Amino acid sequence: AQKITQTQPGMFVQEKEAVTLDCTYDTSDPSYGLFWYKQPSSGEMIFLIYQGSYDQQNATEGRYSLNFQKARKSANLVISASQLGDSAMYFCAMRSLQGAQKLVFGQGTRLTINP
Amino acid sequence: DTGVSQDPRHKITKRGQNVTFRCDPISEHNRLYWYRQTLGQGPEFLTYFQNEAQLEKSRLLSDRFSAERPKGSFSTLEIQRTEQGDSAMYLCATSATGLNYEQYFGPGTRLTVT
Repeated sequence: AQKITQTQPGMFVQEKEAVTLDCTYDTSDPSYGLFWYKQPSSGEMIFLIYQGSYDQQNATEGRYSLNFQKARKSANLVISASQLGDSAMYFCAMRSLQGAQKLVFGQGTRLTINP
Repeated sequence: DTGVSQDPRHKITKRGQNVTFRCDPISEHNRLYWYRQTLGQGPEFLTYFQNEAQLEKSRLLSDRFSAERPKGSFSTLEIQRTEQGDSAMYLCATSATGLNYEQYFGPGTRLTVT
C-alpha cells in the first residue's frame, strides 16, 4: 500500500521568503510518480509539479521546485519568493506507474503568506 | 473553457434521497477518476475509468454508489439513499494515457446531506 505523510498542518511565512513544505512517502512499487497540488479556498485542485521516481534531476516549474530524496523517501516542495496568492492548502500525492492509476494524497499543509 | 467541468457545484439534499453528479472531461483525456474529500482531509480515491470501462473501485464505494461513463466521454456518479456521512466534496479528475500524465481536477460538487 502507498502512504503519504505531511507533518505540517500549518505554515506561516512572510511574503517574499522561501518556504519548504514537507512530504514523506511509503511504497513498495519500484516505479512511482510524486505530485504536488494547490487547493485555494475556492476548492479546485491545481497541479503544480511532478517528479518521477526514475528522474535523476529534481523537478522545477517556475517558482516551484521539488526536493526529491529517494533514499529518505521524501519529496519536499520548495516555493521561492512567496506571494500572497500562494496562501492555500497544499497536498502531496503519489501514484504507482504500474497498474493502479489512483492518486494517494496526504492530509495537506495550510500555507499562509503574511504581508 | 476547456478544463474539467462538474455539475452541479453545490447540492443540498435530505437524508434518504438520491443524487447524481456529472463530470465532463477535457476532450482528449480518456482516463477519468472520482475522488471524495471531507473537511480537513486530502481527497480519497473512489473509482477510475479508462474510456467507458470502469477499471478500479475503492472499498469506499459502497453499494449505494454507482458510477458510469457510457460513451467514454462524460461520467455520472449516483448516490442512492444518501446518509449524512456522504456530505463531502466530490471531485472529478481526468488525464491522458501514459505514465507521466498528471490528473486535472474539476471544481468539485459539494454535497450537503441534511
